[in-house]
Amino acid sequence: DTAVSQTPKYLVTQMGNDKSIKCEQNLGHDTMYWYKQDSKKFLKIMFSYNNKELIINETVPNRFSPKSPDKAHLNLHINSLELGDSAVYFCASTLTGGYSGANVLTFGAGSRLTVL
Amino acid sequence: AQSVTQLGSHVSVSEGALVLLRCNYSSSVPPYLFWYVQYPNQGLQLLLKYTTGATLVKGINGFEAEFKKSETSFHLTKPSAHMSDAAEYFCAVSEGAQKLVFGQGTRLTINP
Repeated sequence: DTAVSQTPKYLVTQMGNDKSIKCEQNLGHDTMYWYKQDSKKFLKIMFSYNNKELIINETVPNRFSPKSPDKAHLNLHINSLELGDSAVYFCASTLTGGYSGANVLTFGAGSRLTVL
Repeated sequence: AQSVTQLGSHVSVSEGALVLLRCNYSSSVPPYLFWYVQYPNQGLQLLLKYTTGATLVKGINGFEAEFKKSETSFHLTKPSAHMSDAAEYFCAVSEGAQKLVFGQGTRLTINP
């Protein structure tokens, strides 16, 4: 069974459209993330949720809206897509259980978004 | 804020040769440091991590890294490269309890 699964794996769409990416983890983790990987492979955190509560919200255009219906799911909705949104979006999760900067993230396989 | 710099966006070695991937960090507190690997079209996987204690950390697939506080470094090494080691490698530092900050990545190519 896949530990962190993302759908869809590939997404090709036109500028101006709205699209969503879904993520689910079956590890019993309490914290989930969205990372964006650009064409140069640079990874940047976008959002993080802990037990459905938004705890990290980096400088991301408000066209991006995350939602966590429960601690096993984290979705990303993107409105009015732009060319610069083309990237690979990774979902990740971890179990925090109190302060520990040593938490290991488990990543999904990524969702490659191409905006034409 | 914590940050990570990986020296060399691309490293190429021959099969059987030493692999050395460089990582320097900046942190105002004792850092937690990580190396992750990304194989083509896959997500990232943990290679190893340093939290406290022994400064030489062993990871999977024969990789190890040494934490050197005086040099603010956490370089990744493997004595003998294998073709299957070809991948993108990311060094990361923990910023707070729940946030990882990644370096820009180093692509490792293995020549037969």
